[in-house]
Amino acid sequence: DADVTQTPRNRITKTGKRIMLECSQTKGHDRMYWYRQDPGLGLRLIYYSFDVKDINKGEISDGYSVSRQAQAKFSLSLESAIPNQTALYFCATSDSRVGNQPQHFGDGTRLSIL
Amino acid sequence: KNEVEQSPQNLTAQEGEFITINCSYSVGISALHWLQQHPGGGIVSLFMLSSGKKKHGRLIATINIQEKHSSLHITASHPRDSAVYICAVNGGSQGNLIFGKGTKLSVKP
Repeated sequence: DADVTQTPRNRITKTGKRIMLECSQTKGHDRMYWYRQDPGLGLRLIYYSFDVKDINKGEISDGYSVSRQAQAKFSLSLESAIPNQTALYFCATSDSRVGNQPQHFGDGTRLSIL
Repeated sequence: KNEVEQSPQNLTAQEGEFITINCSYSVGISALHWLQQHPGGGIVSLFMLSSGKKKHGRLIATINIQEKHSSLHITASHPRDSAVYICAVNGGSQGNLIFGKGTKLSVKP
């Protein structure tokens, strides 16, 4: 099983719908991140969480919200989806206890908003 | 100006060729990462380095802190190396990653 699991893997929905993307991890990491990736652009940070009670906005948080339900779960919500939120979304985790560490990514969720 | 610049954006090589991908950054960093993204979309961490050089199989990553530059080399390239290679630095306000736009590598048999 994957260490960082994203659901769903693909989603097509309509403008105005509420959407939730879920991320769970079995790595025991304290830090979790949500990114979006658009063609021709680098990964951009939406929100990040350093533990269950610590949630922070990233570079492009407008139109998104998050919930850290447990150390292992971090969900991303689009309250009212719009077409320019069509993108590939990644969840990632890292362990802060040993200094700089690589981030571990989920397989991504491809979201299309019509 | 982007804080992390990669070159080239696209690279096509013949199997067996030696490949170099470059990354320059303009911020102070604590570490630099090289990531690989396969056509299926998944992202894997290849290297994390803060000085010198690291080697894993046919892949070599180097960093020059003074020049704010890193290179990723692939020796004896193979079609299975075809992927997008992404440079990222720990340089955000809380050490978050800042990503380059990626280099798309295609290795032809």
